[in-house]
Amino acid sequence: DQQVKQNSPSLSVQEGRISILNCDYTNSMFDYFLWYKKYPAEGPTFLISISSIKDKNEDGRFTVFLNKSAKHLSLHIVPSQPGDSAVYFCAAVDGGYQKVTFGTGTKLQVIP
Amino acid sequence: NAGVTQTPKFQVLKTGQSMTLQCAQDMNHEYMSWYRQDPGMGLRLIHYSVGAGITDQGEVPNGYNVSRSTTEDFPLRLLSAAPSQTSVYFCASSYSRGGLSGAFFGQGTRLTVV
Repeated sequence: DQQVKQNSPSLSVQEGRISILNCDYTNSMFDYFLWYKKYPAEGPTFLISISSIKDKNEDGRFTVFLNKSAKHLSLHIVPSQPGDSAVYFCAAVDGGYQKVTFGTGTKLQVIP
Repeated sequence: NAGVTQTPKFQVLKTGQSMTLQCAQDMNHEYMSWYRQDPGMGLRLIHYSVGAGITDQGEVPNGYNVSRSTTEDFPLRLLSAAPSQTSVYFCASSYSRGGLSGAFFGQGTRLTVV
């Protein structure tokens, strides 16, 4: 049972435009959410996070939105750059702050 | 500043062999965890530790053992390797429980069991 889902395996965006990556979850006990970026042959790198008490968090070009009622979060990258081309994972942390559940990932390609 | 170091980077095992994947961090992080990444499955939590002497199971713990005798090291042991354990393994550490502050990952160990 996949508790964290990223339904789009891939996404292509033109350089300079907005990239929107989506993530849905089913477990209402998740209390904290994170996004990671992963390049080939490297470990994931932390990007941005959001607590369930917030609905938006910004960090430079990256903004994460959380809709608790819909159990949906999204990552917006504006403007997209070729260096953003990577696999993006969303992750959710349970209320005990011990177990982390990752989504299956979305491969973003930013076309110059 | 090494961060999280995993060894080896690549390994081929025969079915039934045992081995230990090493993970060390130099950031004095209490929380460490092991994941495996398989195509179409994302990263799945194998075991985690919230501090020295404390470990617990994640989503897919069967066939793996861990121990945490020091803050720095968190080895993952495969007891009797099976082809289903062919995967890329990542170790991670973080300052906060559950990686709320964002976890640091090692570069991964690509394991093939034949």
